[in-house]
Amino acid sequence: GNSVTQMEGPVTLSEEAFLTINCTYTATGYPSLFWYVQYPGEGLQLLLKATKADDKGSNKGFEATYRKETTSFHLEKGSVQVSDSAVYFCALSDPHSGGGADGLTFGKGTHLIIQP
Amino acid sequence: GAVVSQHPSWVICKSGTSVKIECRSLDFQATTMFWYRQFPKQSLMLMATSNEGSKATYEQGVEKDKFLINHASLTLSTLTVTSAHPEDSSFYICSARWQGLETQYFGPGTRLLVL
Repeated sequence: GNSVTQMEGPVTLSEEAFLTINCTYTATGYPSLFWYVQYPGEGLQLLLKATKADDKGSNKGFEATYRKETTSFHLEKGSVQVSDSAVYFCALSDPHSGGGADGLTFGKGTHLIIQP
Repeated sequence: GAVVSQHPSWVICKSGTSVKIECRSLDFQATTMFWYRQFPKQSLMLMATSNEGSKATYEQGVEKDKFLINHASLTLSTLTVTSAHPEDSSFYICSARWQGLETQYFGPGTRLLVL
């Protein structure tokens, strides 16, 4: 079956530091890959996505590249801000996996804390 | 952007009672809605997928008679936890999607505590 593994937190960084949150996946088909962010008290929001190998998703200074050879989709940002403090979820959608159609398979989430 | 709401945001109930959670898409028509469950420090687990006007598709291991899902309109889906027990205590999250599009929009979640 499908699975997503991401680094467990919390991850604590100083403002303006470089961020990497690792994410690897296993899938039976050709999944689309996503990063969702959950700010305190809010629902999950789509941060970025990539639908095929070598695609790069980007948004709000965050980037992630779909690496099929390493089955990875690591999230990066060059200079984090306090406002980036949130929980980040890596996820995949694999319509060909059967079962629940194309519902998302999530990692456990990584709590990111940015200190001023 | 697309907004999805859930009601209630939290609920406490006695064991044996039933609880209904509503998921609404406020500014778009959601042909498909998904229900997830999240335990503390765990990932979101897909429970079921519902398409408007048809029966929900449940994931393996999810009891369809215990978690009743209704998606009677393009803006509303409900999840009813029947005869709730303490082990049903969890965080329930819904998401909604336009037909043909991949992006899911998530509600803020409902925290259920069964005493």
